[in-house]
Amino acid sequence: EDKVVQSPLSLVVHEGDTVTLNCSYEVTNFRSLLWYKQEKKAPTFLFMLTSSGIEKKSGRLSSILDKKELFSILNITATQTGDSAVYLCAVYRDDKIIFGKGTRLHILP
Amino acid sequence: DSGVTQTPKHLITATGQRVTLRCSPRSGDLSVYWYQQSLDQGLQFLIQYYNGEERAKGNILERFSAQQFPDLHSELNLSSLELGDSALYFCASSLGLAGGYSYNEQFFGPGTRLTVL
Repeated sequence: EDKVVQSPLSLVVHEGDTVTLNCSYEVTNFRSLLWYKQEKKAPTFLFMLTSSGIEKKSGRLSSILDKKELFSILNITATQTGDSAVYLCAVYRDDKIIFGKGTRLHILP
Repeated sequence: DSGVTQTPKHLITATGQRVTLRCSPRSGDLSVYWYQQSLDQGLQFLIQYYNGEERAKGNILERFSAQQFPDLHSELNLSSLELGDSALYFCASSLGLAGGYSYNEQFFGPGTRLTVL
């Protein structure tokens, strides 16, 4: 059965800290790995990763994929209170997206 | 604001009842997806429509059905409701057809929170 597992389930850090969120997967017909940020309502797209070892960056966020070991990490540096959210990892296969349960990140001021 | 609209925002109903959730995709998007998000199961894909036709099915119960109309809006029908159906239901839309190696970014609506009492 396809699965996407995220860790930790929740994380509390202080503003300015750096965090690393983990995502491992076992999915048939893997096409790409996706990261989403979900604040109070709808998930918003962050990154799509298709190739191993190529880092994607957007401001203080970065992510990398390891297709051999079947995992991805999402790094957030110099965290701010606005980064508080649930971060969802998902795998796009050939007909649907399979989501992990998310990591709930809380940034203390 | 993603451009995807969902109504109603909240819905409270009783077990055994039937409800209809509505979604209007972003202008120009042909694909509509429905997801269910509950605390224990996370975000789960239910079903996808592309230009009026069903294209992919996920973990959708037989009590649930959906359709996409000629104007591209979509409705998700939930019947014989059970307590466990209480969840946040999201609709998402994308420009093209999910499939193969081409991922079309999905834009999520604000969701409908369903509470079954």
